[in-house]
Amino acid sequence: GAVVSQHPSWVICKSGTSVKIECRSLDFQATTMFWYRQFPKQSLMLMATSNEGSKATYEQGVEKDKFLINHASLTLSTLTVTSAHPEDSSFYICSARKMGLLSYQETQYFGPGTRLLVL
Amino acid sequence: AQSVTQLGSHVSVSEGALVLLRCNYSSSVPPYLFWYVQYPNQGLQLLLKYTTGATLVKGINGFEAEFKKSETSFHLTKPSAHMSDAAEYFCAVSDRGGGTSYGKLTFGQGTILTVHP
Repeated sequence: GAVVSQHPSWVICKSGTSVKIECRSLDFQATTMFWYRQFPKQSLMLMATSNEGSKATYEQGVEKDKFLINHASLTLSTLTVTSAHPEDSSFYICSARKMGLLSYQETQYFGPGTRLLVL
Repeated sequence: AQSVTQLGSHVSVSEGALVLLRCNYSSSVPPYLFWYVQYPNQGLQLLLKYTTGATLVKGINGFEAEFKKSETSFHLTKPSAHMSDAAEYFCAVSDRGGGTSYGKLTFGQGTILTVHP
């Protein structure tokens, strides 16, 4: 398999501050990464698609000015939660798409997640 | 638009018993289908996937799933449950290719598997 890391694994911050979460593909290059949000006892909801060297594509209802995504290299994407509020508290998970020679050979590998608590 | 329905938010089995987790999907195009497992406070690990070819797919940890197009189903099974199988399982579907939805995963609601001694 392939390894995707996230940092930090958990973070507590005060309301109004910004928090940056990193997602790295450790042993492969990923032109595309995805950011998900998971509420307790619920499924994963896709927030945005992060594309290396271009702007992220946000899902409907996700505020792009609040959740800033930067994919500056083929192994790193960052999600910055700006002016965080308690309702932003959640489990954030990233995935990185590893391509194959053929489209059906691609696989998404998930990071371990980052738990954010905004006080 | 794609959607995934997992029947049963909780499934409980005895150790050694058959595990059956149900997944039905809706997709306007032939999909790719996935099963992921999530242990507490961790990310998702791919169990298996169906993309093309044989409809019975074998994955890690003894799990397998069968793609049944006529039933739009992709149920996950394991002949004999282990205590270590206790986790949450997610079925997911993605677009086969092309368009803005390419590669995006749509997840089901998840099924929590409990294994009793």
